[in-house]
Amino acid sequence: QVHLVESGGGVVQPGMSPRLSCAASGFTFSDYAMHWVRQAPGKGLEWVAVIWYDGTKKYYADSVKGRFTISRDNSKNTLFLQMDSLRAEDTGLYYCARDPHYGDSAWEFDSWGQGTLVTVSS
Amino acid sequence: NFLLTQPHSVSESPGKTVTISCTRSSGSIASNYVHWYQQRPGTSPTFVIYEDNQRPSGVPDRFSGSIDSSSNSASLTISGLKTEDEADYYCQSFDSSNYVVFGGGTKLTVL
Repeated sequence: QVHLVESGGGVVQPGMSPRLSCAASGFTFSDYAMHWVRQAPGKGLEWVAVIWYDGTKKYYADSVKGRFTISRDNSKNTLFLQMDSLRAEDTGLYYCARDPHYGDSAWEFDSWGQGTLVTVSS
Repeated sequence: NFLLTQPHSVSESPGKTVTISCTRSSGSIASNYVHWYQQRPGTSPTFVIYEDNQRPSGVPDRFSGSIDSSSNSASLTISGLKTEDEADYYCQSFDSSNYVVFGGGTKLTVL
C-alpha cells in the first residue's frame, strides 16, 4: 500500500529557505514520477512541480519557477522541495503525490500524502 | 495555458443524481485526459475518475466521467447520492507545455 509522509513545514519568515521532505513506502519509489501540489487555506489545489522517476526531468509552475527546486533521493525513497525566497502567497498545505504510471509522468496523481503546512509570516 | 472552469457549488438530495461540469477555456477538451479528485473536509484528495472515464478500484460505480467535445467540457456524474459524497471535487488536466491545470473546485452539498 502506497504511503507518503510529508515533513518540514512550519512557520517561516519571508525570505527563508525551508526544505520539505516526503518519505515514500509501499511501492518501488524509483519507478515513479512524483509531484508536489499545494493548497492555500480555504482555496483550491495548485500544482507546484514534478520530477521524473530518475530525476532527469523537472518541471515547475510559473508561480514557483526559479524559487523552488524539486529533487529526490531514490536510495532513501525520499522526495524533496527546496523553497527559496518565500512569499506570503506561498502559505499553504503542501502535498506530495505519486504519478500512477511506471516511468515518465502521466501528469496525474493516484496517491497523496497528508500534507505539511507552511505558513509564511513575519 | 488554458483554464478549467467548474461551478463553485452544487447541491442535491440523497438518492438523486448530480453532474459537475469542467469547461476548458481553449484547446480541445479531448487533447489531454481529464481526471477528477474528491476531497472531503480535512482530508487529502483522492482519485475518483482518471483518464476521462476510468474508475479506480474501490470507487463505486455510482461515479462516472465523460467528455463532450461540443461543449468542450468534462463531466463528473454521481448517481444515488449519499451523504458521504459531500465533498469538494476538482477536475485536472495537462497543458502540453508541461504544466498541470486544476479546476477551481466544486463544493457538493448533499441535503
